[in-house]
Amino acid sequence: GESVGLHLPTLSVQEGDNSIINCAYSNSASDYFIWYKQESGKGPQFIIDIRSNMDKRQGQRVTVLLNKTVKHLSLQIAATQPGDSAVYFCAENPEYGNKLVFGAGTILRVKS
Amino acid sequence: GAGVSQSPSNKVTEKGKDVELRCDPISGHTALYWYRQSLGQGLEFLIYFQGNSAPDKSGLPSDRFSAERTGGSVSTLTIQRTQQEDSAVYLCASSRRGGRETQYFGPGTRLLVL
Repeated sequence: GESVGLHLPTLSVQEGDNSIINCAYSNSASDYFIWYKQESGKGPQFIIDIRSNMDKRQGQRVTVLLNKTVKHLSLQIAATQPGDSAVYFCAENPEYGNKLVFGAGTILRVKS
Repeated sequence: GAGVSQSPSNKVTEKGKDVELRCDPISGHTALYWYRQSLGQGLEFLIYFQGNSAPDKSGLPSDRFSAERTGGSVSTLTIQRTQQEDSAVYLCASSRRGGRETQYFGPGTRLLVL
């Protein structure tokens, strides 16, 4: 089958606008979710996490929303800056103490 | 403080050769993870260590792949008889105790098998 990873969705936004990156997760038993940012040539960098007993969590310029009914996660970035340009991954932790399962990623491009 | 470090940063090898990739986790972190990222793909779990034990090896793709951890610190991922499909970025992460603790990633080792 086609490898969706070779054609990552891309979100282009103007500097200063808000960005919304979406993610669908697969395991209804997952109870912990994380967003990572990965810049070219670097390892993933933790942005924000949320547990399943919450539906919203805010950090500095970022907000994560969790909709367990439809198994959907979103990352909102306020006042997007050129330094926010990167690939963003959502990850779910379906089992205590073990692996993270990552989504395919979304490319965020910020236009100045 | 120092983050997760990995070496080498890049490795080019010939098909059939063995390679060793090293990970130094954050000091004091008991949990260590290896992931693989193929070109343009998300991260794929390989193996999880808690201390020197590996309770979850479910992601290792074949018996050519093995990993060990000594002294509850440094870990080595070994790939024997490398194949071209092994070409990828190999990422290591560590967390304080595992579970819902944040996993911090190293910069990765970029492996190219010719």
